[in-house]
Amino acid sequence: AQSVTQLDSHVSVSEGTPVLLRCNYSSSYSPSLFWYVQHPNKGLQLLLKYTSAATLVKGINGFEAEFKKSETSFHLTKPSAHMSDAAEYFCVVIPSGNTGKLIFGQGTTLQVKP
Amino acid sequence: SQTIHQWPATLVQPVGSPLSLECTVEGTSNPNLYWYRQAAGRGLQLLFYSVGIGQISSEVPQNLSASRPQDRQFILSSKKLLLSDSGFYLCAWSVGGQSYEQYFGPGTRLTVT
Repeated sequence: AQSVTQLDSHVSVSEGTPVLLRCNYSSSYSPSLFWYVQHPNKGLQLLLKYTSAATLVKGINGFEAEFKKSETSFHLTKPSAHMSDAAEYFCVVIPSGNTGKLIFGQGTTLQVKP
Repeated sequence: SQTIHQWPATLVQPVGSPLSLECTVEGTSNPNLYWYRQAAGRGLQLLFYSVGIGQISSEVPQNLSASRPQDRQFILSSKKLLLSDSGFYLCAWSVGGQSYEQYFGPGTRLTVT
């Protein structure tokens, strides 16, 4: 069975410093993986996606993620945090069988301090 | 371009009252449609999904039901709300026939008092 684990429930960084949000997945095949961001009381917005093309995926707002099969990881990074990056981030995997049921991680709250 | 609408944005309802939340999608045909609930401090729980008009799959037994009367309309309902129904309800769509990324609406904040 597929699953996804976000290793940190809260991450706090200072503005201008790098961001690292960690995600590990469990899958018996090469999965499709996504990162979504959710600002308070808003819907989810797709940041980036990996679908078996290039392993380094660039997304919106300067975020990127690298698919590492050997480590079963898909960590989200950004070189320099901005105050507007403060939000909840979800790592998501699409399971096999393609029934439309996404598997969500529990989320990581990113706090950006001035 | 495609857009997804949800209303109302916020709702406060007493226990035992009925519920109807609506979601509509514009700019695409035959989308897959989804209802999620997000309880405070928790991740998203898939409630229902639909691959076509009148075709609804329920993920968890609960006090809620869903209907899809038109291709791009998805409705979440309840006959009698419970306190535990409080939460943030999100509608999403994806391209029909496949399930790549999903696109989410702005959500409805439901408080049952």
